[in-house]
Amino acid sequence: ETGVTQTPRHLVMGMTNKKSLKCEQHLGHNAMYWYKQSAKKPLELMFVYSLEERVENNSVPSRFSPECPNSSHLFLHLHTLQPEDSALYLCASSQDPGLDIQYFGAGTRLSVL
Amino acid sequence: SQKIEQNSEALNIQEGKTATLTCNYTNYSPAYLQWYRQDPGRGPVFLLLIRENEKEKRKERLKVTFDTTLKQSLFHITASQPADSATYLCALGGSYIPTFGRGTSLIVHP
Repeated sequence: ETGVTQTPRHLVMGMTNKKSLKCEQHLGHNAMYWYKQSAKKPLELMFVYSLEERVENNSVPSRFSPECPNSSHLFLHLHTLQPEDSALYLCASSQDPGLDIQYFGAGTRLSVL
Repeated sequence: SQKIEQNSEALNIQEGKTATLTCNYTNYSPAYLQWYRQDPGRGPVFLLLIRENEKEKRKERLKVTFDTTLKQSLFHITASQPADSATYLCALGGSYIPTFGRGTSLIVHP
């Protein structure tokens, strides 16, 4: 295991639902990330948190709302998603943002119907 | 804009041979380059990091080269095994957050 745990592993939701993805890291890292991975596309960085402060938001639609209550936990709140939002959502952590190795969770496979 | 290219076609090789994967980049001057392995349905796992002032890095059966003139990194797996079958991602970093390529699938046949 990488020390980064994501739940749930799979999620199916309708376009009008509200759900949340959870990520927890047991590595004592200061930075946490959300990525989106779609088929045949590179990893897309969505959000970066450093010491619980959001430091990057890559023009992500407002239907995705991150929350970082402490340096070990990261959430991604989802509402009124579109079918094109179906993807693998990966959480990662690193000691510090930037020049550092990233440790990824196993991801949440999201399907929006 | 920055661009990272990894061969989108899967690389098929026989067990025991050396696999060589390529990562090319443009409009970028990375301070370092990382290689990750990703298995289906899992997150990427870090393998190796090489800095801009290093030409080569090794770890067990893995070797990475970094040519900042050619803007290219090569990732080699010697004596490949079926268990090496996975997707391999390169990531370039320097200013802040690494930028990932889309990865190349490696299939090692017994």
